[in-house]
Amino acid sequence: DGGITQSPKYLFRKEGQNVTLSCEQNLNHDAMYWYRQDPGQGLRLIYYSQIVNDFQKGDIAEGYSVSREKKESFPLTVTSAQKNPTAFYLCASSIGAGANVLTFGAGSRLTVL
Amino acid sequence: QQPVQSPQAVILREGEDAVINCSSSKALYSVHWYRQKHGEAPIFLMILLKGGEQKGHDKISASFNEKKQQSSLYLTASQLSYSGTYFCGTEAWQSGGSNYKLTFGKGTLLTVNP
Repeated sequence: DGGITQSPKYLFRKEGQNVTLSCEQNLNHDAMYWYRQDPGQGLRLIYYSQIVNDFQKGDIAEGYSVSREKKESFPLTVTSAQKNPTAFYLCASSIGAGANVLTFGAGSRLTVL
Repeated sequence: QQPVQSPQAVILREGEDAVINCSSSKALYSVHWYRQKHGEAPIFLMILLKGGEQKGHDKISASFNEKKQQSSLYLTASQLSYSGTYFCGTEAWQSGGSNYKLTFGKGTLLTVNP
């Protein structure tokens, strides 16, 4: 079955450490997205990519970095510069950018100790 | 900027109707609606495009007022399975098309009781 796989599901990190969240899709989608979800804040866009080797900052990109070297992969690195990284992170993809249905992964919950 | 959703929460009895509103300060290319149950990924409900085209489920309806940059989601004869948090997402209008940046509101928590 086609879908989006996020890993790990749960991750604990010490302050000052970088951590990378994996997102892989086998839907042959061109566009991919990373959102952060905090209680009462909805889904906030971190980064998005319309095609391979290209990505744009979302609304809360500070302290995060991404790469899009392959169509099926869009990893997110949470750096030590992110002041409040504890959150639920959702990856999504769509056929193309612009008015297309998003398919979401199951999410990764990051906790900073 | 995130679109503004209202109400923040609503409680219904099975069979009652509800309306969830979404408004933006920007000219919109499209409005998306998703539902998320606790601990799960959001799932797609509806897309409304500038110009009137809609894509979505038969049992859920929505409207899009392009002049006011507002959308409403209509849930009729609610069922227990309708419970969850509803998010609207908006794409702004830019250079004759979408800016390709889908921004979501803070969500509306819908609870349907027996």
